Amino acid sequence: QEKVQQSPESLIVPEGAMVSLNCSFSDSASQSIWWYQQHPGKGPKALISIFSNGNKKEGRLTVYLNRASLHVSLHIKDSQPSDSAVYLCAVSTINTGNYKYVFGAGTRLKVIA
Amino acid sequence: GPKVLQIPSHQIIDMGQMVTLNCDPVSNHLYFYWYKQILGQQMEFLVNFYNGKVMEKSKLFKDQFSVERPDGSYFTLKIQPTALEDSAVYFCASSSDWGSYEQYFGPGTRLTVL
Repeated sequence: QEKVQQSPESLIVPEGAMVSLNCSFSDSASQSIWWYQQHPGKGPKALISIFSNGNKKEGRLTVYLNRASLHVSLHIKDSQPSDSAVYLCAVSTINTGNYKYVFGAGTRLKVIA
Repeated sequence: GPKVLQIPSHQIIDMGQMVTLNCDPVSNHLYFYWYKQILGQQMEFLVNFYNGKVMEKSKLFKDQFSVERPDGSYFTLKIQPTALEDSAVYFCASSSDWGSYEQYFGPGTRLTVL
């Protein structure tokens, strides 16, 4: 059974800071890892995904994946108050040909103007 | 972007009653999912559904739970009878394909069982 752990639990940063969020998973055969953003009272919204070792950059977001250490991180450059939300790491897993997400508990980010 | 709708947004019912949660997935999507999130806790997978069949379900998907999508209408989650521990936010998601494709989530239905 895949386990997904996120750290830190919460984070408060000033506007403009670089934010780093971490996610560890247990199954090296996991498929893609997704990062979702969830605002209060809303459903999660996909931000970025990664499958291969290395990094991927989209706008202010960069994600790093290291399958050997079972670790993925999300970095948000030049953070804005509108980035304040819960960030969820979702690991896509396969079981007998069926796919599902296993979610971490999330990191609550607050960006102060 | 593509939107998933969920109806109702909030439902309050007495323990033992039946409840049906409705999901209107992205129009050309074929793969559907339900997740459960108790307040302050992790989002947890309940079930995935394709071509009229449940493909996989978790231990949280008790015998009292059922899903269907009759004739391309709403994708529904029915709980009969409900229990106090069913109180949670239920999120529906859909994707265009299997595998590592993005899942699009609805805003959730908050279910309160009294």
